[in-house]
Amino acid sequence: EAAVTQSPRNKVAVTGGKVTLSCNQTNNHNNMYWYRQDTGHGLRLIHYSYGAGSTEKGDIPDGYKASRPSQENFSLILELATPSQTSVYFCASGDWGNSDYTFGSGTRLLVI
Amino acid sequence: QQKVQQSPESLTVSEGAMASLNCTFSDRSSDNFRWYRQHSGKGLEVLVSIFSDGEKEEGSFTAHLNRASLHVFLHIREPQPSDSALYLCAVSMSNYNVLYFGSGTKLTVEP
Repeated sequence: EAAVTQSPRNKVAVTGGKVTLSCNQTNNHNNMYWYRQDTGHGLRLIHYSYGAGSTEKGDIPDGYKASRPSQENFSLILELATPSQTSVYFCASGDWGNSDYTFGSGTRLLVI
Repeated sequence: QQKVQQSPESLTVSEGAMASLNCTFSDRSSDNFRWYRQHSGKGLEVLVSIFSDGEKEEGSFTAHLNRASLHVFLHIREPQPSDSALYLCAVSMSNYNVLYFGSGTKLTVEP
């Protein structure tokens, strides 16, 4: 079954530490996305990718880097984590036109 | 940049009463509209996708799109307490394919 899998599901990090959130999709979609959701709010776009080797900045890219080494994998990297990056992070895959998006189950990140 | 706004921020209805949620968007080039449901602490569940003006029904959920007025509505027929959740509107353009979300409507369905 086609899916988007995120790891880890939960993460506690210390301020100033490096955090890597991973995402794997089996949908063979060209596009992948990283969003964050803060309590009671919608999702905001951090970075996205149109294919292996490409990354694009979304609406709130500051403090985040992204890496798309392959069609299947898309990582979000926090080089120097800060408490303001405490949030729930969702990865998604999609394709052009009217295709469905598939979202992962989310990663809860707590930066202390 | 696309702006998506939802109203009301919260809504309480009685079980079985129609619930209507509103979403407005700013870019008239938008042609992809989706409604998602998110139960507390859970992931996103797509309810209905609509790509042209008019209505589209998926079970007890009906989306109504009017691009001229920059509105897309979600009507929930005979909601149950299990439909209590955060409802999110997402808008995109097929040639750009990035989803922009509203901040959501928190729906509470009382028995």
